[in-house]
Parts: sequence; structure tokens; C-alpha cells
Amino acid sequence: EAQVTQNPRYLITVTGKKLTVTCSQNMNHEYMSWYRQDPGLGLRQIYYSMNVEVTDKGDVPEGYKVSRKEKRNFPLILESPSPNQTSLYFCASIPHGRGAYEQYFGPGTRLTVT
Amino acid sequence: AQSVTQLGSHVSVSEGALVLLRCNYSSSVPPYLFWYVQYPNQGLQLLLKYTTGATLVKGINGFEAEFKKSETSFHLTKPSPHMSDAAEYFCAVITDTGRRALTFGSGTRLQVQP
Repeated sequence: EAQVTQNPRYLITVTGKKLTVTCSQNMNHEYMSWYRQDPGLGLRQIYYSMNVEVTDKGDVPEGYKVSRKEKRNFPLILESPSPNQTSLYFCASIPHGRGAYEQYFGPGTRLTVT
Repeated sequence: AQSVTQLGSHVSVSEGALVLLRCNYSSSVPPYLFWYVQYPNQGLQLLLKYTTGATLVKGINGFEAEFKKSETSFHLTKPSPHMSDAAEYFCAVITDTGRRALTFGSGTRLQVQP
């Protein structure tokens, strides 16, 4: 089944404790992206990657890092999480090709930082 | 910068009554427009999209939307909703085709009364 998976689905952590949220897609998509969803704000892009080893900042990159060493994986790293990073996080991927803009979303990761 | 405005954070209708969820965007270039649905505790599912061609777009679950360039609108409708359509609906636009970032509206929560 074609899908985007995220792990963990739920995470409670404390301020300053480094964490990684994994994202993996099995559709051979080149483009991947991370969003955060906050009430009343919709979704906002954190980082994106247009291919292996090619990443760039989105609208709200502060406090996050990403890497893209393999096409299928795009982990989100919080080196020193803070309470304002409590949010619902979504990973997405887009197939390669001109005119391809439909994004396939993962199931989400709910992160709480205390 | 492009933006998406969804009028009405909450909409309540009766089963069988027309649903209209409003979306207006601001963009200086032709946009790619999407509607996504999010059921409670679930990820985002694509309802429909407009990229080029016919301005009336039909999606899944009986939803449709019409792109009106002169009004910069992309309102979502369903003639006869069911209680199972209760969810949060997000309008989104891509105008930066290089970055392929979706700009989301703040969402509209739909309630369908029996």
C-alpha cells in the first residue's frame, strides 16, 4: 500500500531533550516536506526537501533540523525542544513531475513538550 | 505573500441541507487550489484539487468546488451532507511551484445535525 508513515504517533517529552520524528514514504517520491498544525493557524511548512541531500527552510524553521540521506526517509529533529513546539506534526510527499502538486500526508505525530 | 482565508471557523447544517464552505485566496499568479478534510484524530485527506482546465471540480464523497478567478474564490459545496461528513476542512493553495509549499487556511469545522 502506498503510504507515508510517521513515528512515533504520540510523544511527550521535556524541555531540552533531543528527539527525532521519523517519516518514510514508499512511493519513490522526490519531494518531501514537514508541517506543523496549530489551532486557528492551519498548517505551516517547517522544512522541505526536493531530493536527496537537498533541503531548505519553510515558513517556520526555527528550532528544527532535517536531513535527507535517502529518498524514502525525511526525519525531523528537535535538538532542544521547547514548550512552544508542542504541536501536531505532519510529513508529506509529492511525486516527481511537472504539474505534480498533490501532497500525500502521513497520519501525524502529536508532540507535547513540558 | 499569498494567503488563504476561510470564512467561518464553525459551520453547522442539517442533514440534507446544502453545505457551503468558503475559501478566498490572494495570489498574483494562477494558483493551484486544494481542499483537504481532517476527521478527528486522523491525518489529512485530499478532497479535490484545481490545477488547470475545468473550473468546476468534483471530488470524493460528493463534494465539489468551483474556481472563480474574478472573485479569487474556491468555495466547497455538498448538496446533501451526512452526519459522517462532520470534520474539519482546510482550503490550501500552492503559488510557489518551486517550493511546492501549501499555504493553508485556518480551517472550518463542519457539524451536521440529524
